[in-house]
Amino acid sequence: DGGITQSPKYLFRKEGQNVTLSCEQNLNHDAMYWYRQDPGQGLRLIYYSQIVNDFQKGDIAEGYSVSREKKESFPLTVTSAQKNPTAFYLCASKGLAINEQFFGPGTRLTVL
Amino acid sequence: AQSVTQLGSHVSVSEGALVLLRCNYSSSVPPYLFWYVQYPNQGLQLLLKYTTGATLVKGINGFEAEFKKSETSFHLTKPSAHMSDAAEYFCAVSPMNSGGYQKVTFGTGTKLQVIP
Repeated sequence: DGGITQSPKYLFRKEGQNVTLSCEQNLNHDAMYWYRQDPGQGLRLIYYSQIVNDFQKGDIAEGYSVSREKKESFPLTVTSAQKNPTAFYLCASKGLAINEQFFGPGTRLTVL
Repeated sequence: AQSVTQLGSHVSVSEGALVLLRCNYSSSVPPYLFWYVQYPNQGLQLLLKYTTGATLVKGINGFEAEFKKSETSFHLTKPSAHMSDAAEYFCAVSPMNSGGYQKVTFGTGTKLQVIP
Protein backbone atom coordinates (compact mmCIF):
# COMPACT_ATOMS: atom_id res chain seq x y z
CA ASP A 1 0.00 0.00 0.00
CA GLY A 2 1.23 3.46 -0.86
CA GLY A 3 1.31 6.01 1.87
CA ILE A 4 3.23 8.14 4.32
CA THR A 5 4.75 6.83 7.52
CA GLN A 6 5.95 8.83 10.47
CA SER A 7 7.92 7.53 13.39
CA PRO A 8 7.81 7.39 16.26
CA LYS A 9 4.15 7.91 17.13
CA TYR A 10 5.04 9.38 20.52
CA LEU A 11 8.33 11.01 21.45
CA PHE A 12 9.57 12.42 24.72
CA ARG A 13 12.51 14.76 24.95
CA LYS A 14 14.35 16.49 27.72
CA GLU A 15 14.89 20.21 27.46
CA GLY A 16 18.12 21.05 25.64
CA GLN A 17 18.12 17.93 23.47
CA ASN A 18 17.75 17.77 19.72
CA VAL A 19 15.36 15.17 18.34
CA THR A 20 14.66 13.94 14.81
CA LEU A 21 11.24 12.97 13.49
CA SER A 22 11.08 10.59 10.58
CA CYS A 23 8.84 10.93 7.51
CA GLU A 24 8.88 8.46 4.63
CA GLN A 25 6.60 8.22 1.60
CA ASN A 26 6.29 5.66 -1.16
CA LEU A 27 3.85 7.65 -3.28
CA ASN A 28 6.57 8.93 -5.60
CA HIS A 29 5.58 12.49 -4.69
CA ASP A 30 8.02 15.27 -5.40
CA ALA A 31 6.88 17.72 -2.72
CA MET A 32 6.97 17.11 1.02
CA TYR A 33 5.91 19.29 3.93
CA TRP A 34 6.17 19.53 7.71
CA TYR A 35 3.41 21.11 9.77
CA ARG A 36 3.03 21.79 13.44
CA GLN A 37 -0.40 21.48 15.03
CA ASP A 38 -1.36 23.10 18.32
CA PRO A 39 -4.87 23.09 19.81
CA GLY A 40 -7.02 25.84 18.34
CA GLN A 41 -4.35 27.00 15.89
CA GLY A 42 -4.81 24.71 12.94
CA LEU A 43 -1.75 23.67 10.97
CA ARG A 44 1.30 25.87 10.57
CA LEU A 45 3.95 25.22 7.93
CA ILE A 46 7.48 24.60 9.21
CA TYR A 47 9.42 23.59 6.09
CA TYR A 48 8.69 22.29 2.63
CA SER A 49 10.65 20.68 -0.15
CA GLN A 50 9.73 20.53 -3.81
CA ILE A 51 12.68 18.45 -4.96
CA VAL A 52 15.57 16.43 -3.63
CA ASN A 53 18.38 18.50 -2.09
CA ASP A 54 16.22 21.60 -1.93
CA PHE A 55 13.96 22.91 0.83
CA GLN A 56 12.44 26.19 1.93
CA LYS A 57 11.42 27.72 5.23
CA GLY A 58 7.76 27.95 6.01
CA ASP A 59 6.00 30.28 8.42
CA ILE A 60 7.55 28.97 11.66
CA ALA A 61 10.97 27.54 10.75
CA GLU A 62 12.93 28.94 13.70
CA GLY A 63 14.33 26.16 15.88
CA TYR A 64 13.81 23.47 13.24
CA SER A 65 15.95 21.97 10.50
CA VAL A 66 15.32 19.50 7.67
CA SER A 67 17.12 17.57 4.96
CA ARG A 68 15.97 16.04 1.68
CA GLU A 69 18.67 13.63 0.53
CA LYS A 70 16.20 11.16 -0.95
CA LYS A 71 12.86 11.67 -2.67
CA GLU A 72 11.17 9.33 -0.21
CA SER A 73 12.45 10.88 3.00
CA PHE A 74 12.11 14.27 4.69
CA PRO A 75 13.26 14.13 8.33
CA LEU A 76 12.64 17.03 10.70
CA THR A 77 15.00 17.91 13.52
CA VAL A 78 13.63 19.85 16.44
CA THR A 79 16.60 21.65 17.97
CA SER A 80 17.13 22.98 21.45
CA ALA A 81 16.61 26.46 20.00
CA GLN A 82 12.89 25.76 19.59
CA LYS A 83 11.40 27.38 22.67
CA ASN A 84 8.10 25.54 22.81
CA PRO A 85 8.46 22.26 20.92
CA THR A 86 5.64 20.28 22.55
CA ALA A 87 3.14 19.76 19.74
CA PHE A 88 1.72 17.32 17.20
CA TYR A 89 3.84 17.19 14.05
CA LEU A 90 2.40 16.21 10.68
CA CYS A 91 4.24 15.33 7.51
CA ALA A 92 2.55 15.58 4.12
CA SER A 93 3.40 14.97 0.50
CA LYS A 94 1.99 16.03 -2.85
CA GLY A 95 2.49 14.96 -6.43
CA LEU A 96 2.87 17.43 -9.27
CA ALA A 97 -0.32 16.34 -11.01
CA ILE A 98 -2.35 16.15 -7.81
CA ASN A 99 -4.18 19.01 -6.13
CA GLU A 100 -4.26 17.85 -2.53
CA GLN A 101 -1.70 16.95 0.09
CA PHE A 102 -1.57 13.49 1.66
CA PHE A 103 -0.82 13.31 5.37
CA GLY A 104 1.03 10.89 7.59
CA PRO A 105 -0.32 9.74 10.98
CA GLY A 106 1.68 12.30 12.95
CA THR A 107 4.20 12.33 15.79
CA ARG A 108 3.34 13.75 19.17
CA LEU A 109 6.39 15.32 20.76
CA THR A 110 6.44 16.12 24.44
CA VAL A 111 9.26 17.99 26.11
CA LEU A 112 9.76 17.06 29.73
CA ALA B 1 -2.68 36.38 0.01
CA GLN B 2 -5.19 33.86 1.24
CA SER B 3 -6.94 33.02 4.48
CA VAL B 4 -9.59 30.70 5.86
CA THR B 5 -12.15 31.33 8.58
CA GLN B 6 -14.06 28.50 10.18
CA LEU B 7 -17.00 29.73 12.22
CA GLY B 8 -17.38 27.81 15.44
CA SER B 9 -14.52 25.92 17.00
CA HIS B 10 -17.02 23.42 18.44
CA VAL B 11 -20.31 22.24 16.93
CA SER B 12 -22.71 19.77 18.54
CA VAL B 13 -25.46 17.94 16.70
CA SER B 14 -27.78 15.09 17.57
CA GLU B 15 -27.36 11.78 15.85
CA GLY B 16 -29.46 11.87 12.67
CA ALA B 17 -29.50 15.66 12.48
CA LEU B 18 -28.07 17.85 9.76
CA VAL B 19 -24.38 18.67 9.98
CA LEU B 20 -23.32 22.14 8.81
CA LEU B 21 -19.74 23.30 9.23
CA ARG B 22 -18.99 26.77 7.93
CA CYS B 23 -15.95 27.90 5.99
CA ASN B 24 -15.24 31.27 4.43
CA TYR B 25 -12.09 32.02 2.51
CA SER B 26 -10.27 34.90 0.94
CA SER B 27 -7.97 34.54 -2.01
CA SER B 28 -6.48 36.98 -4.49
CA VAL B 29 -6.54 34.32 -7.22
CA PRO B 30 -9.00 31.54 -8.12
CA PRO B 31 -8.81 29.00 -5.32
CA TYR B 32 -8.71 25.32 -4.78
CA LEU B 33 -10.73 24.42 -1.68
CA PHE B 34 -10.49 21.37 0.56
CA TRP B 35 -12.11 19.79 3.58
CA TYR B 36 -10.08 17.40 5.70
CA VAL B 37 -11.12 15.30 8.68
CA GLN B 38 -8.91 14.38 11.62
CA TYR B 39 -9.63 11.77 14.26
CA PRO B 40 -7.82 12.01 17.61
CA ASN B 41 -4.07 11.50 17.36
CA GLN B 42 -4.24 10.78 13.65
CA GLY B 43 -3.30 12.55 10.45
CA LEU B 44 -5.63 14.46 8.15
CA GLN B 45 -7.75 12.63 5.60
CA LEU B 46 -9.22 14.37 2.57
CA LEU B 47 -13.02 14.48 2.62
CA LEU B 48 -13.56 16.40 -0.59
CA LYS B 49 -12.12 19.10 -2.79
CA TYR B 50 -13.18 21.77 -5.25
CA THR B 51 -10.87 22.54 -8.13
CA THR B 52 -12.92 23.50 -11.18
CA GLY B 53 -16.24 22.55 -12.71
CA ALA B 54 -19.30 21.63 -10.68
CA THR B 55 -19.65 23.81 -7.60
CA LEU B 56 -21.42 21.12 -5.56
CA VAL B 57 -18.81 18.61 -4.57
CA LYS B 58 -19.52 15.22 -3.04
CA GLY B 59 -17.02 13.49 -0.83
CA ILE B 60 -16.57 10.43 1.31
CA ASN B 61 -18.84 9.36 4.17
CA GLY B 62 -21.87 11.22 2.76
CA PHE B 63 -20.39 14.71 3.05
CA GLU B 64 -20.75 17.40 0.43
CA ALA B 65 -19.80 21.05 0.06
CA GLU B 66 -20.81 23.86 -2.25
CA PHE B 67 -18.42 26.45 -3.62
CA LYS B 68 -20.14 29.84 -3.65
CA LYS B 69 -17.87 32.39 -5.23
CA SER B 70 -20.16 35.35 -4.53
CA GLU B 71 -20.20 34.49 -0.83
CA THR B 72 -16.58 33.26 -0.71
CA SER B 73 -17.85 30.22 1.14
CA PHE B 74 -17.33 26.48 1.06
CA HIS B 75 -19.59 25.08 3.79
CA LEU B 76 -19.56 21.36 4.57
CA THR B 77 -22.84 19.49 5.05
CA LYS B 78 -24.15 16.03 5.75
CA PRO B 79 -27.89 15.30 5.90
CA SER B 80 -27.77 12.91 8.84
CA ALA B 81 -25.02 12.79 11.45
CA HIS B 82 -23.59 9.49 12.59
CA MET B 83 -21.66 8.84 15.78
CA SER B 84 -18.60 8.03 13.69
CA ASP B 85 -18.62 11.59 12.30
CA ALA B 86 -17.31 12.94 15.61
CA ALA B 87 -13.92 14.38 14.70
CA GLU B 88 -12.19 17.65 13.89
CA TYR B 89 -12.72 19.16 10.47
CA PHE B 90 -10.37 21.51 8.66
CA CYS B 91 -11.13 23.74 5.70
CA ALA B 92 -8.18 24.70 3.51
CA VAL B 93 -7.45 26.91 0.51
CA SER B 94 -4.66 27.05 -2.02
CA PRO B 95 -4.13 29.00 -5.22
CA MET B 96 -5.25 27.27 -8.37
CA ASN B 97 -2.28 25.18 -9.48
CA SER B 98 0.15 27.12 -11.58
CA GLY B 99 2.97 24.63 -11.21
CA GLY B 100 5.65 24.51 -8.58
CA TYR B 101 5.05 25.12 -4.90
CA GLN B 102 1.45 25.47 -3.83
CA LYS B 103 0.90 27.04 -0.42
CA VAL B 104 -2.05 25.62 1.46
CA THR B 105 -3.64 27.69 4.22
CA PHE B 106 -5.67 25.79 6.81
CA GLY B 107 -8.45 27.03 9.02
CA THR B 108 -8.25 26.57 12.77
CA GLY B 109 -10.59 23.61 12.73
CA THR B 110 -14.09 22.74 13.98
CA LYS B 111 -14.61 19.91 16.42
CA LEU B 112 -17.86 18.08 15.74
CA GLN B 113 -19.60 16.37 18.62
CA VAL B 114 -22.43 13.96 17.86
CA ILE B 115 -24.90 13.43 20.67
CA PRO B 116 -26.70 10.08 20.82
